[in-house]
Amino acid sequence: QKEVEQNSGPLSVPEGAIASLNCTYSDRGSQSFFWYRQYSGKSPELIMFIYSNGDKEDGRFTAQLNKASQYVSLLIRDSQPSDSATYLCAVDDYKLSFGAGTTVTVRA
Amino acid sequence: GAGVSQSPSNKVTEKGKDVELRCDPISGHTALYWYRQSLGQGLEFLIYFQGNSAPDKSGLPSDRFSAERTGGSVSTLTIQRTQQEDSAVYLCASSWEDAPNYGYTFGSGTRLTVV
Repeated sequence: QKEVEQNSGPLSVPEGAIASLNCTYSDRGSQSFFWYRQYSGKSPELIMFIYSNGDKEDGRFTAQLNKASQYVSLLIRDSQPSDSATYLCAVDDYKLSFGAGTTVTVRA
Repeated sequence: GAGVSQSPSNKVTEKGKDVELRCDPISGHTALYWYRQSLGQGLEFLIYFQGNSAPDKSGLPSDRFSAERTGGSVSTLTIQRTQQEDSAVYLCASSWEDAPNYGYTFGSGTRLTVV
């Protein structure tokens, strides 16, 4: 079983809609969770991290963590064409373990 | 420097040749990581350096792969007798300590093509 699983996508949403990305992880002891955005041909860049159960908001992005269910999600509100990218979920087990990513396309 | 620097940005090599990939982390970052990303895939962990501790080599796919970090700064990833399946983007990242509380900063990567 892979350590970090993401909904495979691709995910296509209209401009202005909410994009919802999901991630589950296998190690119940994991403490830190990260979302990276990767544009085509570019390296990943950190957009959110979350440690505590509940929601964490940063601008149009909201990360949600449920440690009991071993589930972390990312919501992108008011999606823009510039949000079109692959989103990588990562879990800290002294090094970051990454999911395969979900590709999001925002249609203008 | 201001960011993680990797060189070369692109490398085309013939099957069976050796290659060296270089990573210069952010100044002061004690932890350095190498990942590999094949086309359309996620990031595969290769190796991790933290300060003067022995590196975690658990992700290296074969004994053809090795890495070193000199003086706690610059790192070199060496692939011997390259194979076509080694073709990928090799990403280096660094962070302040072994608990990446603020996430890693990635370099722009080296795209390796083995022909």
